[in-house]
Amino acid sequence: DTGVSQDPRHKITKRGQNVTFRCDPISEHNRLYWYRQTLGQGPEFLTYFQNEAQLEKSRLLSDRFSAERPKGSFSTLEIQRTEQGDSAMYLCASSSYREEHYGYTFGSGTRLTVV
Amino acid sequence: SQQGEEDPQALSIQEGENATMNCSYKTSINNLQWYRQNSGRGLVHLILIRSNEREKHSGRLRVTLDTSKKSSSLLITASRAADTASYFCATDRGAQKLVFGQGTRLTINP
Repeated sequence: DTGVSQDPRHKITKRGQNVTFRCDPISEHNRLYWYRQTLGQGPEFLTYFQNEAQLEKSRLLSDRFSAERPKGSFSTLEIQRTEQGDSAMYLCASSSYREEHYGYTFGSGTRLTVV
Repeated sequence: SQQGEEDPQALSIQEGENATMNCSYKTSINNLQWYRQNSGRGLVHLILIRSNEREKHSGRLRVTLDTSKKSSSLLITASRAADTASYFCATDRGAQKLVFGQGTRLTINP
């Protein structure tokens, strides 16, 4: 297992289209997080899964956003009816309860551009 | 909302010099973590310091934590060109999520 994988790396979409991103965490990690990062800012928390349960959602996650983690493995983040303000880097991270002192492992992110 | 605030926002030094970045936060924490981000990439975990620790070392990195002042510092000694990146502090309040600051953009000049 080489780390957290995110796909695609880049996505350009027209306003109003739907997009879906995928994250494959480290297989032993039961916790999975989605963050959003805009240029010049730090990452902002979107949502968190423990196994397949979505335990917390940020107010940033409007009803156009939905995240799933079926079977507690990979996760998808879908944005419906994209807006230009959704343009950002979407980062996925995973961690393990047993290794909570070792920090999170982040993927390389998916850069979304809405035109 | 972002809890941590890094200072300075940007830092430019000569290779071989030491770089110090500071982070302040607002609420009590379980631990504080520092991450590095190269341009356009994901974040890499550097070091974690627990709320009951005051100082921690890892290679050329030294982190301090002062919970009474709600502040932390990251020192990188003998800087190298490869250290050029953005550095973020992140606080863990035990709520199963990290809250990041806005970062310090570090440039090492050869």
